[in-house]
Amino acid sequence: GAVVSQHPSRVICKSGTSVKIECRSLDFQATTMFWYRQFPKKSLMLMATSNEGSKATYEQGVEKDKFLINHASLTLSTLTVTSAHPEDSSFYICSARERRMGLAGVHEQYFGPGTRLTVT
Amino acid sequence: GQNIDQPTEMTATEGAIVQINCTYQTSGFNGLFWYQQHAGEAPTFLSYNVLDGLEEKGRFSSFLSRSKGYSYLLLKELQMKDSASYLCAVSRIKAAGNKLTFGGGTRVLVKP
Repeated sequence: GAVVSQHPSRVICKSGTSVKIECRSLDFQATTMFWYRQFPKKSLMLMATSNEGSKATYEQGVEKDKFLINHASLTLSTLTVTSAHPEDSSFYICSARERRMGLAGVHEQYFGPGTRLTVT
Repeated sequence: GQNIDQPTEMTATEGAIVQINCTYQTSGFNGLFWYQQHAGEAPTFLSYNVLDGLEEKGRFSSFLSRSKGYSYLLLKELQMKDSASYLCAVSRIKAAGNKLTFGGGTRVLVKP
Protein backbone atom coordinates (compact mmCIF):
# COMPACT_ATOMS: atom_id res chain seq x y z
CA GLY A 1 0.00 0.00 0.00
CA ALA A 2 0.82 3.74 0.13
CA VAL A 3 1.94 4.18 -3.46
CA VAL A 4 2.50 7.60 -4.96
CA SER A 5 2.96 8.07 -8.68
CA GLN A 6 4.29 10.99 -10.68
CA HIS A 7 3.84 11.78 -14.32
CA PRO A 8 5.83 12.33 -16.42
CA SER A 9 9.00 10.69 -15.14
CA ARG A 10 11.12 12.74 -17.53
CA VAL A 11 10.36 15.83 -19.57
CA ILE A 12 12.40 18.05 -21.82
CA CYS A 13 10.96 21.41 -22.74
CA LYS A 14 12.07 24.60 -24.42
CA SER A 15 12.75 27.82 -22.57
CA GLY A 16 9.62 29.89 -22.11
CA THR A 17 7.16 27.02 -22.19
CA SER A 18 5.16 25.62 -19.26
CA VAL A 19 5.30 22.10 -17.90
CA LYS A 20 2.76 20.33 -15.71
CA ILE A 21 3.75 17.54 -13.34
CA GLU A 22 1.12 15.31 -11.73
CA CYS A 23 1.35 13.61 -8.37
CA ARG A 24 -1.19 10.95 -7.45
CA SER A 25 -1.77 8.85 -4.36
CA LEU A 26 -2.92 5.54 -5.78
CA ASP A 27 -4.34 3.62 -2.85
CA PHE A 28 -4.98 6.18 -0.14
CA GLN A 29 -6.40 9.64 0.36
CA ALA A 30 -3.86 12.37 0.89
CA THR A 31 -5.02 15.50 2.64
CA THR A 32 -1.60 17.02 2.21
CA MET A 33 0.96 16.75 -0.55
CA PHE A 34 4.43 18.26 -0.59
CA TRP A 35 6.55 19.35 -3.51
CA TYR A 36 10.33 19.15 -3.30
CA ARG A 37 13.15 20.07 -5.58
CA GLN A 38 16.48 18.30 -5.63
CA PHE A 39 19.67 19.37 -7.36
CA PRO A 40 22.34 16.78 -8.26
CA LYS A 41 24.05 15.34 -5.19
CA LYS A 42 22.05 17.65 -2.95
CA SER A 43 19.23 17.00 -0.54
CA LEU A 44 15.55 17.68 -0.95
CA MET A 45 14.36 21.24 -0.57
CA LEU A 46 10.72 21.76 0.25
CA MET A 47 9.04 24.11 -2.22
CA ALA A 48 5.45 24.10 -1.05
CA THR A 49 2.78 22.33 0.95
CA SER A 50 -0.44 21.59 -0.85
CA ASN A 51 -3.69 20.98 1.03
CA GLU A 52 -6.76 19.64 -0.73
CA GLY A 53 -9.24 22.36 -1.53
CA SER A 54 -7.11 25.27 -0.38
CA LYS A 55 -4.21 27.37 -1.59
CA ALA A 56 -0.71 25.99 -1.35
CA THR A 57 1.73 27.32 1.22
CA TYR A 58 5.05 28.21 -0.34
CA GLU A 59 8.42 28.18 1.36
CA GLN A 60 10.45 31.34 1.54
CA GLY A 61 12.14 32.18 -1.73
CA VAL A 62 9.83 30.06 -3.91
CA GLU A 63 7.91 32.09 -6.48
CA LYS A 64 4.23 31.15 -6.29
CA ASP A 65 3.50 32.65 -9.70
CA LYS A 66 6.20 30.57 -11.30
CA PHE A 67 5.42 27.28 -9.57
CA LEU A 68 1.65 26.90 -9.67
CA ILE A 69 0.22 24.21 -7.44
CA ASN A 70 -3.28 22.81 -7.60
CA HIS A 71 -4.65 20.17 -5.25
CA ALA A 72 -8.10 19.57 -6.64
CA SER A 73 -8.83 16.21 -5.05
CA LEU A 74 -7.66 13.96 -2.25
CA THR A 75 -5.58 11.93 -4.70
CA LEU A 76 -4.14 14.47 -7.12
CA SER A 77 -1.87 17.49 -6.91
CA THR A 78 -0.25 19.21 -9.87
CA LEU A 79 2.80 21.44 -10.13
CA THR A 80 3.07 23.67 -13.18
CA VAL A 81 6.41 25.29 -13.92
CA THR A 82 5.49 28.38 -15.92
CA SER A 83 7.79 30.10 -18.41
CA ALA A 84 10.51 27.57 -17.71
CA HIS A 85 14.16 28.56 -17.84
CA PRO A 86 17.28 26.37 -17.90
CA GLU A 87 17.88 27.09 -14.20
CA ASP A 88 14.54 25.37 -13.46
CA SER A 89 16.08 22.10 -14.65
CA SER A 90 15.97 19.82 -11.65
CA PHE A 91 14.53 16.68 -10.11
CA TYR A 92 11.06 17.40 -8.73
CA ILE A 93 9.66 15.00 -6.14
CA CYS A 94 6.25 14.98 -4.55
CA SER A 95 5.16 13.26 -1.39
CA ALA A 96 1.75 12.56 0.06
CA ARG A 97 0.60 12.22 3.61
CA GLU A 98 -2.24 9.92 4.50
CA ARG A 99 -5.41 11.20 6.02
CA ARG A 100 -4.81 8.96 9.02
CA MET A 101 -1.68 8.20 10.98
CA GLY A 102 0.61 5.53 9.62
CA LEU A 103 1.97 2.53 11.45
CA ALA A 104 4.78 4.65 12.86
CA GLY A 105 2.14 6.59 14.78
CA VAL A 106 2.96 9.72 12.94
CA HIS A 107 2.04 11.35 9.70
CA GLU A 108 4.39 9.53 7.36
CA GLN A 109 5.11 10.93 3.95
CA TYR A 110 5.20 8.63 0.95
CA PHE A 111 7.34 9.80 -1.93
CA GLY A 112 6.67 9.63 -5.63
CA PRO A 113 9.38 8.43 -8.04
CA GLY A 114 10.28 11.96 -9.12
CA THR A 115 10.22 13.90 -12.38
CA ARG A 116 13.42 14.89 -14.13
CA LEU A 117 12.86 18.27 -15.85
CA THR A 118 15.35 19.54 -18.42
CA VAL A 119 14.81 22.98 -19.91
CA THR A 120 16.78 23.68 -23.08
CA GLY B 1 15.57 28.38 11.68
CA GLN B 2 16.67 24.79 11.58
CA ASN B 3 20.07 23.19 11.21
CA ILE B 4 20.45 19.57 10.26
CA ASP B 5 23.98 18.28 9.80
CA GLN B 6 25.23 14.95 8.58
CA PRO B 7 28.50 13.88 6.96
CA THR B 8 28.70 14.24 3.19
CA GLU B 9 30.24 10.88 2.37
CA MET B 10 31.26 7.61 4.00
CA THR B 11 32.97 4.54 2.62
CA ALA B 12 32.76 1.06 4.11
CA THR B 13 33.48 -2.52 3.18
CA GLU B 14 30.90 -5.17 2.36
CA GLY B 15 29.90 -7.04 5.53
CA ALA B 16 31.01 -4.24 7.82
CA ILE B 17 29.03 -1.78 9.94
CA VAL B 18 28.60 1.92 9.27
CA GLN B 19 27.12 4.57 11.56
CA ILE B 20 25.73 7.78 10.05
CA ASN B 21 25.34 10.61 12.52
CA CYS B 22 22.82 13.43 12.30
CA THR B 23 22.66 16.47 14.57
CA TYR B 24 19.82 18.95 14.51
CA GLN B 25 18.58 22.16 16.05
CA THR B 26 14.90 22.89 15.75
CA SER B 27 11.87 24.15 17.61
CA GLY B 28 8.72 22.06 17.94
CA PHE B 29 10.47 18.74 17.36
CA ASN B 30 8.01 16.03 16.36
CA GLY B 31 10.20 13.15 15.29
CA LEU B 32 13.13 12.26 13.10
CA PHE B 33 13.04 10.16 9.95
CA TRP B 34 15.74 8.35 8.04
CA TYR B 35 15.31 7.76 4.32
CA GLN B 36 17.38 5.88 1.77
CA GLN B 37 17.71 7.30 -1.71
CA HIS B 38 19.37 5.66 -4.69
CA ALA B 39 20.59 7.95 -7.45
CA GLY B 40 17.73 9.24 -9.59
CA GLU B 41 15.07 7.64 -7.43
CA ALA B 42 12.70 8.85 -4.74
CA PRO B 43 13.55 8.45 -1.04
CA THR B 44 12.25 5.35 0.70
CA PHE B 45 11.34 5.28 4.37
CA LEU B 46 13.75 3.48 6.69
CA SER B 47 12.93 4.50 10.23
CA TYR B 48 11.23 6.95 12.54
CA ASN B 49 12.17 7.99 16.10
CA VAL B 50 10.22 10.34 18.33
CA LEU B 51 11.26 9.02 21.76
CA ASP B 52 14.80 8.58 23.02
CA GLY B 53 16.39 5.23 22.41
CA LEU B 54 17.15 2.66 19.77
CA GLU B 55 14.76 1.31 17.16
CA GLU B 56 15.92 -1.85 15.45
CA LYS B 57 14.65 -3.10 12.12
CA GLY B 58 16.62 -5.97 10.70
CA ARG B 59 20.01 -4.77 9.51
CA PHE B 60 19.11 -1.13 10.14
CA SER B 61 18.83 0.56 13.53
CA SER B 62 18.19 4.18 14.42
CA PHE B 63 18.93 5.98 17.66
CA LEU B 64 17.64 9.27 19.02
CA SER B 65 18.67 11.55 21.88
CA ARG B 66 16.34 14.51 22.01
CA SER B 67 18.29 16.32 24.74
CA LYS B 68 21.41 16.21 22.58
CA GLY B 69 19.67 16.86 19.26
CA TYR B 70 21.37 13.78 17.91
CA SER B 71 20.47 10.70 15.95
CA TYR B 72 22.34 7.98 14.15
CA LEU B 73 21.49 5.33 11.59
CA LEU B 74 23.39 2.07 11.95
CA LEU B 75 23.73 -0.21 8.95
CA LYS B 76 24.99 -3.70 9.75
CA GLU B 77 26.22 -6.52 7.49
CA LEU B 78 26.63 -4.05 4.66
CA GLN B 79 25.68 -5.19 1.18
CA MET B 80 26.63 -3.66 -2.16
CA LYS B 81 23.02 -2.60 -2.69
CA ASP B 82 23.27 -0.41 0.43
CA SER B 83 25.35 2.06 -1.60
CA ALA B 84 23.02 5.06 -1.61
CA SER B 85 22.38 8.41 0.00
CA TYR B 86 20.89 8.40 3.49
CA LEU B 87 18.78 11.38 4.42
CA CYS B 88 18.04 12.53 7.94
CA ALA B 89 14.80 14.54 8.17
CA VAL B 90 13.23 16.34 11.10
CA SER B 91 9.49 16.75 11.51
CA ARG B 92 8.09 19.73 13.35
CA ILE B 93 4.87 20.02 15.32
CA LYS B 94 1.49 20.14 13.71
CA ALA B 95 1.41 23.93 13.86
CA ALA B 96 4.28 23.88 11.42
CA GLY B 97 2.33 21.49 9.22
CA ASN B 98 4.34 18.41 10.19
CA LYS B 99 6.73 19.45 7.47
CA LEU B 100 9.95 17.59 6.97
CA THR B 101 13.26 19.40 6.77
CA PHE B 102 16.03 17.33 5.27
CA GLY B 103 19.71 17.28 6.01
CA GLY B 104 22.16 17.34 3.14
CA GLY B 105 22.31 13.56 2.91
CA THR B 106 25.21 11.16 3.41
CA ARG B 107 26.46 9.22 0.40
CA VAL B 108 27.55 5.77 1.47
CA LEU B 109 29.78 3.78 -0.83
CA VAL B 110 30.09 0.07 -0.08
CA LYS B 111 33.22 -1.53 -1.48
CA PRO B 112 33.80 -5.26 -2.02
